[in-house]
Amino acid sequence: NAGVMQNPRHLVRRRGQEARLRCSPMKGHSHVYWYRQLPEEGLKFMVYLQKENIIDESGMPKERFSAEFPKEGPSILRIQQVVRGDSAAYFCASSPQVTGSSYEQYFGPGTRLTVT
Amino acid sequence: GENVEQHPSTLSVQEGDSAVIKCTYSDSASNYFPWYKQELGKGPQLIIDIRSNVGEKKDQRIAVTLNKTAKHFSLHITETQPEDSAVYFCAARPPYPFTSNNNDMRFGAGTRLTVKP
Repeated sequence: NAGVMQNPRHLVRRRGQEARLRCSPMKGHSHVYWYRQLPEEGLKFMVYLQKENIIDESGMPKERFSAEFPKEGPSILRIQQVVRGDSAAYFCASSPQVTGSSYEQYFGPGTRLTVT
Repeated sequence: GENVEQHPSTLSVQEGDSAVIKCTYSDSASNYFPWYKQELGKGPQLIIDIRSNVGEKKDQRIAVTLNKTAKHFSLHITETQPEDSAVYFCAARPPYPFTSNNNDMRFGAGTRLTVKP
């Protein structure tokens, strides 16, 4: 069973360009979470999605950031008009159908975004 | 919302010694507490977790303890090895069913563990 996959692993964008980060959850997982990690810091929650639904986007900036998890295909985190402060590692995690006992989140390898 | 604090931020031990990392949380409703290990350039890896209905869980050289009354939990690594060197994160999460703005996992700031050979 392949783990969580993210691509690209490294992404360089100039200020003002768009960044698209992709995440394919583990097989059988229908819940996806995006986190941002600045150098030498912890993980900050951004958004939680199920198929075709945004459940909680309270951690995502209201401007320039958006996320989706379509019925088919990977989850996409989109950052429009990137600025230097967007440079960070972006991690995706997935979990199976949530039940009373099933909480585990499994992380992908991350996408390291550098804005020049 | 939940707030998780983690100590120490850095920890250096000699190979073979034990390492202990501690976390406190603020939301008494949180009932799931995982620990992640992150190596340089990689994503966090789940190494052990504990739910609020147990006080201790052990898996070979690692163990986690939970004190619900005091709202703190700890990671214990015994017989440390150089390959244990990494950044360790604790986290806390509220119970299911989740509600909007109350379902995300809150992470501690991390502990950089160095095991000297």
